[in-house]
Amino acid sequence: SQQGEEDPQALSIQEGENATMNCSYKTSINNLQWYRQNSGRGLVHLILIRSNEREKHSGRLRVTLDTSKKSSSLLITASRAADTTSYFCAPSNDYKLSFGAGTTVTVRA
Amino acid sequence: GAGVSQSPSNKVTEKGKDVELRCDPISGHTALYWYRQRLGQGLEFLIYFQGNSAPDKSGLPSDRFSAERTGESVSTLTIQRTQQEDSAVYLCASSNRDRVGDQTQYFGPGTRLLVL
Repeated sequence: SQQGEEDPQALSIQEGENATMNCSYKTSINNLQWYRQNSGRGLVHLILIRSNEREKHSGRLRVTLDTSKKSSSLLITASRAADTTSYFCAPSNDYKLSFGAGTTVTVRA
Repeated sequence: GAGVSQSPSNKVTEKGKDVELRCDPISGHTALYWYRQRLGQGLEFLIYFQGNSAPDKSGLPSDRFSAERTGESVSTLTIQRTQQEDSAVYLCASSNRDRVGDQTQYFGPGTRLLVL
């Protein structure tokens, strides 16, 4: 497994604004998953994008994947206070997930 | 059950003691994973169980760590002779790898282990 590296480490935005965070990885992948940490410390799956996909949407989330640049981005539109938490990407070739330190997003009221 | 459950939610132990952490996966999920998350760091893969296949133990950091799973049900992660560097949140996840194309892992709330 390989670790994704999220950027930036921290992001502070006003409620209603969009939040964008990026993920880079080193070797080829089958898919890339985005998770967020929930209030109970667990991780909540947000979205999975396969290596043959370029963009995927789920509600207010938009994920892109550029395999030539080995990078992905997660966009949260119209942010809310409840979006405040840490977000992690997990590039994967198999069943092993390995997350980096994540991007901590703070949404200010 | 509704989701993955883990117990205990918190565990404080003294250095040198053994601890046992429990994970109840989502019913019907064939795959079960253990991960570790140290403070301020990313998630480290520890071990993977899939049905009756031999587990992938490649992530276990030392022979003090072991895990068992009976069939497709409960799993226990045991840490013997705990050390302070074992302090972390231990997360369990399960997935339904029999379902084609579904690779989503569903995580439990974790067990926060503190070794004094």
